[in-house]
Amino acid sequence: DAMVIQNPRYQVTQFGKPVTLSCSQTLNHNVMYWYQQKSSQAPKLLFHYYDKDFNNEADTPDNFQSRRPNTSFCFLDIRSPGLGDAAMYLCATTRELAGGRETQYFGPGTRLLVL
Amino acid sequence: GENVEQHPSTLSVQEGDSAVIKCTYSDSASNYFPWYKQELGKRPQLIIDIRSNVGEKKDQRIAVTLNKTAKHFSLHITETQPEDSAVYFCAASTSESWGKLQFGAGTQVVVTP
Repeated sequence: DAMVIQNPRYQVTQFGKPVTLSCSQTLNHNVMYWYQQKSSQAPKLLFHYYDKDFNNEADTPDNFQSRRPNTSFCFLDIRSPGLGDAAMYLCATTRELAGGRETQYFGPGTRLLVL
Repeated sequence: GENVEQHPSTLSVQEGDSAVIKCTYSDSASNYFPWYKQELGKRPQLIIDIRSNVGEKKDQRIAVTLNKTAKHFSLHITETQPEDSAVYFCAASTSESWGKLQFGAGTQVVVTP
């Protein structure tokens, strides 16, 4: 079941202290996504990578950055976390095929708490 | 951009009864419609999906129907069980949107024994 792995599962950080969340996948999928999910809300897409091409959603704050050093790994960097950034962060992957895309597979998520 | 509306926001059913959740979408180019189940504190898990070239798909107690003309799709759960209790999200995407999923707001389903 460990196809999309996120570490850590729980992260506590201080207000304004940079934090990095990580995602890795064993599926060899070329597309990776980062979502933010707050309590009782749907996941909200922050950005995605198509191979190494980075695509930012228009309403994603500049405070959020991402890196994808290789196919397997993707990182979410929050430069100066605010109290409003406390949420579950979900990584997802999919594969581009000739006939379209496969289903998105979600990782278990990292729950971020900002003190 | 795409807008997906989902109803109802909460649904309480007796064990053994059926549950129906409905979603509408705005972008006529949307061609992929997955449904995810999310239990408290866990990841969204795909339970069924349908593509625009199909009108209905069934997997055991779960079925999804799609009406492209009316731009709505529905999830049907029959013979509900307590373990069906969760939040269910519908979503829509187009082949031109990099697989970006536009989610509905979610439906909290509670199955009471």
